[in-house]
Amino acid sequence: DAGVIQSPRHEVTEMGQEVTLRCKPISGHDYLFWYRQTMMRGLELLIYFNNNVPIDDSGMPEDRFSAKMPNASFSTLKIQPSEPRDSAVYFCASTDNPTDTQYFGPGTRLTVL
Amino acid sequence: SQQGEEDPQALSIQEGENATMNCSYKTSINNLQWYRQNSGRGLVHLILIRSNEREKHSGRLRVTLDTSKKSSSLLITASRAADTASYFCATDANDYKLSFGAGTTVTVRA
Repeated sequence: DAGVIQSPRHEVTEMGQEVTLRCKPISGHDYLFWYRQTMMRGLELLIYFNNNVPIDDSGMPEDRFSAKMPNASFSTLKIQPSEPRDSAVYFCASTDNPTDTQYFGPGTRLTVL
Repeated sequence: SQQGEEDPQALSIQEGENATMNCSYKTSINNLQWYRQNSGRGLVHLILIRSNEREKHSGRLRVTLDTSKKSSSLLITASRAADTASYFCATDANDYKLSFGAGTTVTVRA
């Protein structure tokens, strides 16, 4: 398996623009997690899905953030409008057992100017 | 919020030496995991220890868990340059959500 795939790997955009981050989980994994990593706040869980259904979005910082999982092999995290404080590395992770190992993607480094 | 806190924040050792880092957490857990993150990369799972286990080994890694003290330690023996990375503990407390600490940055000098 190719592991968790994220795209793009790097994104530079201007304040106010819409940003869409994409994730393909490992086949057969029915849990998907979105995290954000910054120097100030460390690694934070934003939202997680089980069988394509959002289970807990309490970590989503604002209404500007939204996430979807239209099918078992694809999820998006959208920020609209983006702000400079959204600059961070965003990770997607998947697992078939939420109490066990999570498999992380390589991350998307987002810079909002 | 971060459940786990690693100590020290940074560690610099000579190749071949052992590296020890600690993790303390606040609430009861089901299990505790350690992950490694190389610069610019995603996190890689190293080892998981369950709340009813006290010690676990995997290759050059040794993890201990003391639930009475709410703490864990990760020991890397005979360190190599490739062990240079940040190490994070993560706890699972009944809600399927992992809570990560701030990490320990380990530098192994050749």
